[in-house]
Amino acid sequence: SQTIHQWPATLVQPVGSPLSLECTVEGTSNPNLYWYRQAAGRGLQLLFYSVGIGQISSEVPQNLSASRPQDRQFILSSKKLLLSDSGFYLCAWTGGDTEAFFGQGTRLTVV
Amino acid sequence: AQKVTQAQTEISVVEKEDVTLDCVYETRDTTYYLFWYKQPPSGELVFLIRRNSFDEQNEISGRYSWNFQKSTSSFNFTITASQVVDSAVYFCALTPFNTGRRALTFGSGTRLQVQP
Repeated sequence: SQTIHQWPATLVQPVGSPLSLECTVEGTSNPNLYWYRQAAGRGLQLLFYSVGIGQISSEVPQNLSASRPQDRQFILSSKKLLLSDSGFYLCAWTGGDTEAFFGQGTRLTVV
Repeated sequence: AQKVTQAQTEISVVEKEDVTLDCVYETRDTTYYLFWYKQPPSGELVFLIRRNSFDEQNEISGRYSWNFQKSTSSFNFTITASQVVDSAVYFCALTPFNTGRRALTFGSGTRLQVQP
């Protein structure tokens, strides 16, 4: 069966520090991968999606970037965090005709 | 552009009451998928149901039921005989019917609190 792993679960980072969140999917090949962000008390907003290795589409201009170095690995990064980057980040995958399956999320607090 | 509206920000019920969560959507796509996800306090999103736009049959799964009405662009979710474990934030979401980019447009969520 397919599983999705996301880490770390929680992170407290100072303003101006770098960020790297990692997501990996097991049990499937060539998934479509997504990063969403949920601000406190709000819905989820799509940040990036990828349909293949090295193929990244950005949905919202921001301080973040994404990379897909391997088929089932998706990384969210920032060179310098801002206070407004705080939130709950969720990785997800879809394959073929499936619904989206989500990781357990990373709660990022920028201080 | 797509939009999903969940007008109910928070609902509080007493255990065993029935509760309906409303979802209204807007899309220019002729075919699309609709979803409901549950977000318990731990944070992960749990998939509940997927409905495609050309299947308007209502669905029942245990205490859960869904009413899809294309004519009113609504996809409402009813929990019968609610339980404390149903307490969570529930999201309705929409995506175009294609096998490539399956990015979801989410509503802002409805927080359901079921009191014992």
